[in-house]
Amino acid sequence: GENVEQHPSTLSVQEGDSAVIKCTYSDSASNYFPWYKQELGKRPQLIIDIRSNVGEKKDQRIAVTLNKTAKHFSLHITETQPEDSAVYFCAGYNKLIFGAGTRLAVHP
Amino acid sequence: GAVVSQHPSWVICKSGTSVKIECRSLDFQATTMFWYRQFPKQSLMLMATSNEGSKATYEQGVEKDKFLINHASLTLSTLTVTSAHPEDSSFYICSAPIRMNTEAFFGQGTRLTVV
Repeated sequence: GENVEQHPSTLSVQEGDSAVIKCTYSDSASNYFPWYKQELGKRPQLIIDIRSNVGEKKDQRIAVTLNKTAKHFSLHITETQPEDSAVYFCAGYNKLIFGAGTRLAVHP
Repeated sequence: GAVVSQHPSWVICKSGTSVKIECRSLDFQATTMFWYRQFPKQSLMLMATSNEGSKATYEQGVEKDKFLINHASLTLSTLTVTSAHPEDSSFYICSAPIRMNTEAFFGQGTRLTVV
């Protein structure tokens, strides 16, 4: 069945540094790759997504890259801020299957 | 963005009773609804996918007779936890895309505690 692996499980950075989270997927039919941010006790919110016909997408401090051949995609956050601290999930989309999540802590 | 409204936001029930959770798409028609369970500090585990007018598709290991899903209309999907036990205590959350392979919008989630 469809499987999405996400690394690392936790990530601690200093404010202003960059953070990178990586995911691999198994289903070759997947063609849409969203990233969600979940703050404690709240619902997940989409922060960026990418389609399989695009290799990279950027939105201000957030970017996502996709390598379809290798079946992996990555989230890049630059100039991190304390409010970026949350759990981030990638997803594969044949059914909406989530990775295990990455707990990002940004220290002032 | 689109709105998915989920109720109740929290519920406490006695062991052996049933609990119904509702998810409504307020401003779009949700042909598909995903149902998840999330234990503390863990990921969103897909339980089942419901499609309007047809039977839900359950993930491996999820008991369909225990977690009854109904998607009778394009704006309402329900999850009923039957004969709840303490180990069913968790955060349950629904999600629906306007179209497949586009952003999925989440409900607020329901924190279920079985005592």
